Amino acid sequence: SAVISQKPSRDICQRGTSLTIQCQVDSQVTMMFWYRQQPGQSLTLIATANQGSEATYESGFVIDKFPISRPNLTFSTLTVSNMSPEDSSIYLCSVETGTGTPQHFGDGTRLSIL
Amino acid sequence: QKEVEQDPGPLSVPEGAIVSLNCTYSNSAFQYFMWYRQYSRKGPELLMYTYSSGNKEDGRFTAQVDKSSKYISLFIRDSQPSDSATYLCAMSGGGATNKLIFGTGTLLAVQP
Repeated sequence: SAVISQKPSRDICQRGTSLTIQCQVDSQVTMMFWYRQQPGQSLTLIATANQGSEATYESGFVIDKFPISRPNLTFSTLTVSNMSPEDSSIYLCSVETGTGTPQHFGDGTRLSIL
Repeated sequence: QKEVEQDPGPLSVPEGAIVSLNCTYSNSAFQYFMWYRQYSRKGPELLMYTYSSGNKEDGRFTAQVDKSSKYISLFIRDSQPSDSATYLCAMSGGGATNKLIFGTGTLLAVQP
């Protein structure tokens, strides 16, 4: 399966600031996704990162808060904007290597907001 | 009601025991069913992937899907301390977006 690298692996940030998380895959993939994993809760899909076009956001998530880029078939970024303590979470990138294949995940970015 | 329900545990078993992990769901459109294993400070790792109803076996792991009852299970035979992790069920209806809906995860501890 594809090797998925996320950077940074963890960070502690001040409220009101923004952080960009990178997801790099070692091979071209068809689909890339961004999830949030909050303590005691299910993984929740934030958005699907579309190559060459705007991301598709799930209900409750907006582009102004979570802008996403996907400039090519191996790389995507998620920015968490104007952070508040409620944004403290694990953010995970996942990929599909082909249509109908299961998703594989990176190790996530552990984000704490003070 | 959540779309996917999973007993959060924690579940503690002795080494060598058979472990049964379960999820129920409400959306009859789900067709693809997955089990992921997540170690502390790591991302979810795909364990089993099944389509529609039936059983699938891979080594010590067996996944069962009963679509009529909207119920899926993961069995772990001869459990090992290295199996200690959080187990997440996930499912999707397939299609272009393949959005995954996850359970909250079951924390398993296998005692040596």
